[in-house]
Amino acid sequence: EVQLLESGGGLVQPGGSLRLSCAASGFTFSNNAMSWVRQAPGKGLEWVSTISGSGAGTYYADSVKGRFTISRDNSKNTLYVQMNSLRGEDTAVYYCAKSGYSRPHDYWGQGTLVTVSS
Amino acid sequence: EIVLTQSPGTLSLSPGERATLSCRASQSISNSYLAWYQQKPGQAPRLLIYGASSRATGIPDRFSGSGSGTDFTLTISRLEPEDFAVYYCQQYGSSPRFGQGTKVEIK
Repeated sequence: EVQLLESGGGLVQPGGSLRLSCAASGFTFSNNAMSWVRQAPGKGLEWVSTISGSGAGTYYADSVKGRFTISRDNSKNTLYVQMNSLRGEDTAVYYCAKSGYSRPHDYWGQGTLVTVSS
Repeated sequence: EIVLTQSPGTLSLSPGERATLSCRASQSISNSYLAWYQQKPGQAPRLLIYGASSRATGIPDRFSGSGSGTDFTLTISRLEPEDFAVYYCQQYGSSPRFGQGTKVEIK
């Protein structure tokens, strides 16, 4: 059974940093691209970033480019996103999702809430 | 970048009725990289349809997808109580984007 478990969300001040993690199980992690998708309160879904299975390829939405860094540790079956220079508009539930970039997101975690506020 | 526009914004229907949801792209979507997701309150999205018309694993056959190029449709043939939710389309090629969603509510 595929499982994705996010962690690391919380309250952070504007301009601050946060790192989210996603522990994956139930599939061959290193063979699959992984993505982050977010959803602001009461709003729709927004793709944030995708990383290839090897980690060599990374892709970002314009809204986070230069501030967020996606990475992965295939030895630990874990996906990360380092979020710097956080803004109020980054407040959202952040979902870890399997696949992306020429493949649909066939599995999703339950999400972790990031709140950017002073 | 491709912009996806979903219509209608809200669809009010009764159980047993047919639901037809539209997703229109600002440019042609290559390789039919178009997916549909269902999201219920407080839950993560669930993949329903990929490749414009292929059902994901475990999805009932009352859900069907069609279309190509710039115009795509999700059809729910007979609404069940558990189908009332928000539905999103997504193009998952380069620079993935989601539509703004269609809420299917009980009339």
